[in-house]
Amino acid sequence: KAGVTQTPRYLIKTRGQQVTLSCSPISGHRSVSWYQQTPGQGLQFLFEYFSETQRNKGNFPGRFSGRQFSNSRSEMNVSTLELGDSALYLCASSNQGPLSYEQYFGPGTRLTVT
Amino acid sequence: AQRVTQPEKLLSVFKGAPVELKCNYSYSGSPELFWYVQYSRQRLQLLLRHISRESIKGFTADLNKGETSFHLKKPFAQEEDSAMYYCALIRAVAGGTSYGKLTFGQGTILTVHP
Repeated sequence: KAGVTQTPRYLIKTRGQQVTLSCSPISGHRSVSWYQQTPGQGLQFLFEYFSETQRNKGNFPGRFSGRQFSNSRSEMNVSTLELGDSALYLCASSNQGPLSYEQYFGPGTRLTVT
Repeated sequence: AQRVTQPEKLLSVFKGAPVELKCNYSYSGSPELFWYVQYSRQRLQLLLRHISRESIKGFTADLNKGETSFHLKKPFAQEEDSAMYYCALIRAVAGGTSYGKLTFGQGTILTVHP
């Protein structure tokens, strides 16, 4: 099975712009979670989507949003970018079976805001 | 709220020495605990989960509910074990499904010297 893929891998944006990141989960996985990774804050949960519905949300401002499509692919959007949004954004997919809590991570999108 | 603490940011050992990476958690319910590893230039990957009680790459971890700990151990460290290790917790909801939110510790960088 192909692993989780994320596009683009690298992105440079200017303050005030917006950005959309994409995540394709492992085939058959219906849950996609997003995380922000920074040296200072570590790995922080952004949100989780399951069957096109946001099921869980972390403590991030409303500038961070996401969505999931019927094929389980997910996008994350950040509007009005700030310098502090520079981070590695990871997505993870899970098949959400009865005993499946395991999440499989993508390589990440490295976002730099200048 | 759930919280995961990894008290050591850096840990150095020599090849062949035992290694223990500490993880403590706080959560009022019944959690599922994991260790994730990130090797240089590779994606975050699951190392082991407490529910499976298995040994992966010689590593084991025992959940101690009394001490709320989930320390990772290996009796004889190898150079290829050098990596960043994250302890993570997920809420185990009644019925066996979770809601995609992993809470991570800050991570421990393990360096195994030859």
